[in-house]
Amino acid sequence: EAQVTQNPRYLITVTGKKLTVTCSQNMNHEYMSWYRQDPGLGLRQIYYSMNVEVTDKGDVPEGYKVSRKEKRNFPLILESPSPNQTSLYFCASSFVDSSSYEQYFGPGTRLTVT
Amino acid sequence: KNEVEQSPQNLTAQEGEFITINCSYSVGISALHWLQQHPGGGIVSLFMLSSGKKKHGRLIATINIQEKHSSLHITASHPRDSAVYICAVRSYNTDKLIFGTGTRLQVFP
Repeated sequence: EAQVTQNPRYLITVTGKKLTVTCSQNMNHEYMSWYRQDPGLGLRQIYYSMNVEVTDKGDVPEGYKVSRKEKRNFPLILESPSPNQTSLYFCASSFVDSSSYEQYFGPGTRLTVT
Repeated sequence: KNEVEQSPQNLTAQEGEFITINCSYSVGISALHWLQQHPGGGIVSLFMLSSGKKKHGRLIATINIQEKHSSLHITASHPRDSAVYICAVRSYNTDKLIFGTGTRLQVFP
């Protein structure tokens, strides 16, 4: 089954404790992206990657890191989480081909930083 | 002002009603997406369109590029259609997706 998986689905942590949210897709997509969703603000892009070893900042990259060592995986790293990073996070992937930009979303990770 | 505006923000309907959700945008786009987010949080892509009209079951999406406006219609609405519907546009200049804040739809039996 074609899918994007994220782990963990729920996470409660404390300020400053490094964490990683994993994202994996099995559709051989070149493009992967991380979004955060906050009430009243819609989805905002954190980082994206056009292919292996190619990453770039989105609209709200501060406090986050990513890496793309393999095509299928795109982990999101919070080196020192803060309460303002409490949010619902989505990973998404798609082909880069201009005729097919449909995005596939992971199930979401609800993060609470206390 | 947001680059992607949706209306209404909230919508309630009785089962069987015809539903319309609107999306207006202010940037040049290469494509527009309609997404559905269920109460559990998962997001599913419903449509991607760059012109005209698409239909899938009871869902119809239209876009008017000149007016920078798109509509999502649901015919014969059902309680299982209850969800948040999100409009997103792919900016022609930056190639990034810009999201609206969503329309929360509740359909009652």
